[in-house]
Amino acid sequence: GNSVTQMEGPVTLSEEAFLTINCTYTATGYPSLFWYVQYPGEGLQLLLKATKADDKGSNKGFEATYRKETTSFHLEKGSVQVSDSAVYFCALSDRASGTYKYIFGTGTRLKVLA
Amino acid sequence: AAGVIQSPRHLIKEKRETATLKCYPIPRHDTVYWYQQGPGQDPQFLISFYEKMQSDKGSIPDRFSAQQFSDYHSELNMSSLELGDSALYFCASSSVKSGDTGELFFGEGSRLTVL
Repeated sequence: GNSVTQMEGPVTLSEEAFLTINCTYTATGYPSLFWYVQYPGEGLQLLLKATKADDKGSNKGFEATYRKETTSFHLEKGSVQVSDSAVYFCALSDRASGTYKYIFGTGTRLKVLA
Repeated sequence: AAGVIQSPRHLIKEKRETATLKCYPIPRHDTVYWYQQGPGQDPQFLISFYEKMQSDKGSIPDRFSAQQFSDYHSELNMSSLELGDSALYFCASSSVKSGDTGELFFGEGSRLTVL
């Protein structure tokens, strides 16, 4: 079956440091890939997405490239801010028998220090 | 733009009581999903509905039931509540229509506390 594996946290960085959160997936079909972010006390928000191989999703300085050859969708940001502190979830969606099924990773908590 | 609306936002119940959570998906979205997120945990899929029919079932306890109504809103009914049911319950909606990428839109969640 489909699965998502992301690096365990917590990840603690200083402001302006480079961020990478690894995410790999297994899928039998051609899934869409997502990164969701959850700020304290809030719901999950879509951060970025990619729907096919070699697509690059980007938003708010974050980027991730859909790599089919390595089945990866690593999240990167060149210079993190304190306001980026949150939990980040990698996810895939695969359409089977009409509707989408979603698989989430276990989440990676990021803490950015001033 | 309209988002997914959940109510109530906070709910406190005693053990063995019953609770009902409501979800109003984004207009024209045809699929609703329910997730449970315990403290420090990732969201666990409970159940989903497509066009008012159950489309998938995850780790939903037998004490829980859900349905989607003709206006597409959904309700999650939880009976014989246990302390372990204390969690954040998220509703999310999406569309499978042509041209949509299947992105999930989440509500703000309903926080259930069982005492």
